[in-house]
Amino acid sequence: AQSVAQPEDQVNVAEGNPLTVKCTYSVSGNPYLFWYVQYPNRGLQFLLKYITGDNLVKGSYGFEAEFNKSQTSFHLKKPSALVSDSALYFCAVRPHGSGNTGKLIFGQGTTLQVKP
Amino acid sequence: DVKVTQSSRYLVKRTGEKVFLECVQDMDHENMFWYRQDPGLGLRLIYFSYDVKMKEKGDIPEGYSVSREKKERFSLILESASTNQTSMYLCASSEGSDQPQHFGDGTRLSIL
Repeated sequence: AQSVAQPEDQVNVAEGNPLTVKCTYSVSGNPYLFWYVQYPNRGLQFLLKYITGDNLVKGSYGFEAEFNKSQTSFHLKKPSALVSDSALYFCAVRPHGSGNTGKLIFGQGTTLQVKP
Repeated sequence: DVKVTQSSRYLVKRTGEKVFLECVQDMDHENMFWYRQDPGLGLRLIYFSYDVKMKEKGDIPEGYSVSREKKERFSLILESASTNQTSMYLCASSEGSDQPQHFGDGTRLSIL
């Protein structure tokens, strides 16, 4: 079955330290991968995507993610965390066979807590 | 900027009622989606639509139906609301498979 896994329910980091939010996927074919962020009482906001090309993708708010085909991972990273980065983060992948419908499979989400 | 608007932020209904959740997008996107979000379960796809009057079941369609009479509007219908449908409902739209989905701010629905 095609799926996305975010192995950590919560990640805690100190402000100014680097952060990593993990994501692994299982899909057939070439994956289209996305990261979203959700602040309280809001919808999801798009951060970045990997479709093809350079394995290191840069996105909004200083976030980046590295596509690793051999490890089937797409971890989200930021060199220096801010308290305002505290939010719920979702990884998503386009399932094989979904054509151009834009359908995505989402992970269960990881809460990032950045402490001052 | 793409705007996806959900008609209500908060809604309280009673069991057995027929409930309509409305979603409108302003970017002429072909694809629209309805999800429910529950703690620890992430986003689960209820229904999606890739064209006017076209719809496909997602992962949890039971107890729900949808309507897409116009390209910009995608409605989610709870035929006979039950307490286990208390949840946050999110609508999204997208242009295609290599483009991100754009989300509304959600409707927090409580069924009493």
